Amino acid sequence: GAGVSQSPSNKVTEKGKDVELRCDPISGHTALYWYRQSLGQGLEFLIYFQGNSAPDKSGLPSDRFSAERTGGSVSTLTIQRTQQEDSAVYLCASSFRQGAGDEQFFGPGTRLTVL
Amino acid sequence: AQSVTQPDIHITVSEGASLELRCNYSYGATPYLFWYVQSPGQGLQLLLKYFSGDTLVQGIKGFEAEFKRSQSSFNLRKPSVHWSDAAEYFCAVGLRGGNKLTFGTGTQLKVEL
Repeated sequence: GAGVSQSPSNKVTEKGKDVELRCDPISGHTALYWYRQSLGQGLEFLIYFQGNSAPDKSGLPSDRFSAERTGGSVSTLTIQRTQQEDSAVYLCASSFRQGAGDEQFFGPGTRLTVL
Repeated sequence: AQSVTQPDIHITVSEGASLELRCNYSYGATPYLFWYVQSPGQGLQLLLKYFSGDTLVQGIKGFEAEFKRSQSSFNLRKPSVHWSDAAEYFCAVGLRGGNKLTFGTGTQLKVEL
């Protein structure tokens, strides 16, 4: 079946603009995760959804970052007033159940470049 | 603080040679342990995972990893590397009862023909 998809694959924006990144998880997966991968660093957890609610937002780096999930499916990560340090690859993952022991399936990522 | 360390940023091996990628973690209790591979332009793919039981776990693509509690390590191995194994490898841990994964900074593997 289809895997996790993300759009756009690449996004170039100017400093100060808002951006929206989209994630379509695998159908039937209840848990959804956003991670950020910066150059030379590992993946950094941003936020986790179980259904439409976000029990863990601890990784969001500032109040410029927000995310929502609707219908227990698609999720959107929004970055307001982008800064150059926001440049990174944003990865989305989904899993059938909640819990760190459940395999997370990753999308190809959105590469964000803030000029 | 909880952490995952992959001490080798880059590793180069010849095709056919053996491979070992190191991973150490710092957690209060034994977490769930994972190895993921990321090929250029692709998402992360799970190679193998350890939850409990046998400390030597087998994964896809001929990879295996050994959990050593005394060393807080979960090193990835492959007896004979293929050119297609060139990629970036990430060790990750998850707390039992938690949800998110904490990743190491990755090891970039280059395979010389």
